Amino acid sequence: ELKVEQNPLFLSMQEGKNYTIYCNYSTTSDRLYWYRQDPGKSLESLFVLLSNGAVKQEGRLMASLDTKARLSTLHITAAVHDLSATYFCAVAGYALNFGKGTSLLVTP
Amino acid sequence: EADIYQTPRYLVIGTGKKITLECSQTMGHDKMYWYQQDPGMELHLIHYSYGVNSTEKGDLSSESTVSRIRTEHFPLTLESARPSHTSQYLCASELDTPNTGELFFGEGSRLTVL
Repeated sequence: ELKVEQNPLFLSMQEGKNYTIYCNYSTTSDRLYWYRQDPGKSLESLFVLLSNGAVKQEGRLMASLDTKARLSTLHITAAVHDLSATYFCAVAGYALNFGKGTSLLVTP
Repeated sequence: EADIYQTPRYLVIGTGKKITLECSQTMGHDKMYWYQQDPGMELHLIHYSYGVNSTEKGDLSSESTVSRIRTEHFPLTLESARPSHTSQYLCASELDTPNTGELFFGEGSRLTVL
């Protein structure tokens, strides 16, 4: 069974700071996805990582994938309040398997 | 932007009622999924379909059933709702570009069973 673990599960950070969210998974996969969810809303696709060493950047967010270590990271640079949300990583098996999500709160 | 629609968005019903949550997509995607998500929690796969007349149960045991008679339509039915079914149900379809596997989600149906 494919297990996906994210940490931290809760993150409170000040505006302007940097931080990294980690996503580990248990079995081989070369496809990993990051999603954002705002309270009461559905999931919005952020990044699709399809190969070892893949790196994608959008604004203050950068995601990377190391398939050998079964690890993906989501790095936040100079956080702003608008980034407050829950971030999920998901790993491809016969369907997407999701982590528990990281609830991010960016404070002034 | 993906065109995938769920109705109703919110539903409050009594125990024992039969309900159907509708999901439609206009992109012609073959693969569709239903996930269940409790507030602030992870998503659990309850059903999926790889095309017309194809349906499978997911990892999370569910008393719901699904059907896939048309490509664009993937409804989920609870024959007799119970309070334990209270949750958010998210429908998704999969982008068919070569092997990306990216899912696009509907807005969700938030179900409360009294």
